[in-house]
Amino acid sequence: AAGVIQSPRHLIKEKRETATLKCYPIPRHDTVYWYQQGPGQDPQFLISFYEKMQSDKGSIPDRFSAQQFSDYHSELNMSSLELGDSALYFCASSPLAGGLSHEQFFGPGTRLTVL
Amino acid sequence: DAKTTQPNSMESNEEEPVHLPCNHSTISGTDYIHWYRQLPSQGPEYVIHGLTSNVNNRMASLAIAEDRKSSTLILHRATLRDAAVYYCILRDERSNFGNEKLTFGTGTRLTIIP
Repeated sequence: AAGVIQSPRHLIKEKRETATLKCYPIPRHDTVYWYQQGPGQDPQFLISFYEKMQSDKGSIPDRFSAQQFSDYHSELNMSSLELGDSALYFCASSPLAGGLSHEQFFGPGTRLTVL
Repeated sequence: DAKTTQPNSMESNEEEPVHLPCNHSTISGTDYIHWYRQLPSQGPEYVIHGLTSNVNNRMASLAIAEDRKSSTLILHRATLRDAAVYYCILRDERSNFGNEKLTFGTGTRLTIIP
């Protein structure tokens, strides 16, 4: 079965550079979530989109922005990168069936290293 | 947000049942109890969820206390591949048309002993 695809899988950037992470949800999934997991930490919610509109926002820095496109894929844009942005970034998707979505399907993550 | 409390770590022998507890004393009536797990170097993975009644699926069973203030994830026969961090998460299914974010707490790191 198709899974959530994230690209790139690994990314190395310098401080103050920008990065773009991409997420391709499972077909027919219209909700996308982004999570950040720092070293030794638990995943933290950043932002989510439903039908191309932002549906919820967590502790996402102002330097980060995201959007969901007409084909439902999503991109997380990160500017002025800091050392503390080094983390695993997970994208998850879920379908909405009858207004209830019980399961989120996670991608393999993008490991971002800021030097 | 209602919080959950889990032991930091647990160990179990391979091929034996494992009972992972979770306390959620401030759970509200619309909160579903979800369990996810994260295997090493992978994204979190859905395990099971429930509201009031005990639930079974191919991966595990979920036993929910009658007052809903605690629950237990049961792996009936642990294998080495079950070694992971297990997260107990409360999710209000009324909000945001059901697409509520997952709020991960500090889960239980399960070690399986061969």
